[in-house]
Amino acid sequence: DSGVTQTPKHLITATGQRVTLRCSPRSGDLSVYWYQQSLDQGLQFLIQYYNGEERAKGNILERFSAQQFPDLHSELNLSSLELGDSALYFCASSLALVGTDTQYFGPGTRLTVL
Amino acid sequence: QKEVEQDPGPLSVPEGAIVSLNCTYSNSAFQYFMWYRQYSRKGPELLMYTYSSGNKEDGRFTAQVDKSSKYISLFIRDSQPSDSATYLCAMTSYGKLTFGQGTILTVHP
Repeated sequence: DSGVTQTPKHLITATGQRVTLRCSPRSGDLSVYWYQQSLDQGLQFLIQYYNGEERAKGNILERFSAQQFPDLHSELNLSSLELGDSALYFCASSLALVGTDTQYFGPGTRLTVL
Repeated sequence: QKEVEQDPGPLSVPEGAIVSLNCTYSNSAFQYFMWYRQYSRKGPELLMYTYSSGNKEDGRFTAQVDKSSKYISLFIRDSQPSDSATYLCAMTSYGKLTFGQGTILTVHP
C-alpha cells in the first residue's frame, strides 16, 4: 500500500458527460501528479500540483482540468468525455517539488466511456 | 518518434532465468532514470533509481545506465514467478517523468 488513495476505483459514464476523480496524497507529501494510462499511449503525465499551485503540465487536454485543495487532496475533472478518454487514471504524490523525488502511485481509477 | 522507446514484449522466461529489460531514449536532458514495476490492476511502484552512468545493484536487480548511448537496462537475476509484472522505464527532466511503454514479463515455474 503506497499510502495514496484514489476514488472511485471504477467509473462508467457516457460520451459528453463530466466526471471528477479524487486523490489523497501520502501524509506529508506536497506534490500531486496525475497520469493517464492507456494501451496505445502508455503512461502519460498530465499535470502536477505542488502545495496548491500548478507546477508542470504534460499532455493534458483542454477538456481536462485539475486542482489541489488546501488539505492537499486533488481532483481531476474530465469534461465532454469521448470514447478515447477511457483509460486508467493514476495519481501519484511526492514529498517535494522536483521530479527526482520518489513518486508513490495510487491504485488508479478505471474510467470507461460508453 | 517517442522520447523513450521500450520493447513491450511480452517476455516469457522460466523460473531462475536472467531477465534483461531495455529502454532507449532520445532526449539528452534526461537526468534521472528509474524502473517501475506494475502488477495487474495496481499502480506502478518504484524499483530502482539512478542518475549516473554505470551499474546500481539492489538484491536480484541491477540497473544499468549508458548515457553516451542513451540506453538503460534492468537485469533480474534468479527470476521468480512473483516477478511477473509489467516493467516500465522512466526518465525525468525538469520535474516531468516520461515513461516507456512497459514490458510485460511472465516468469513461469
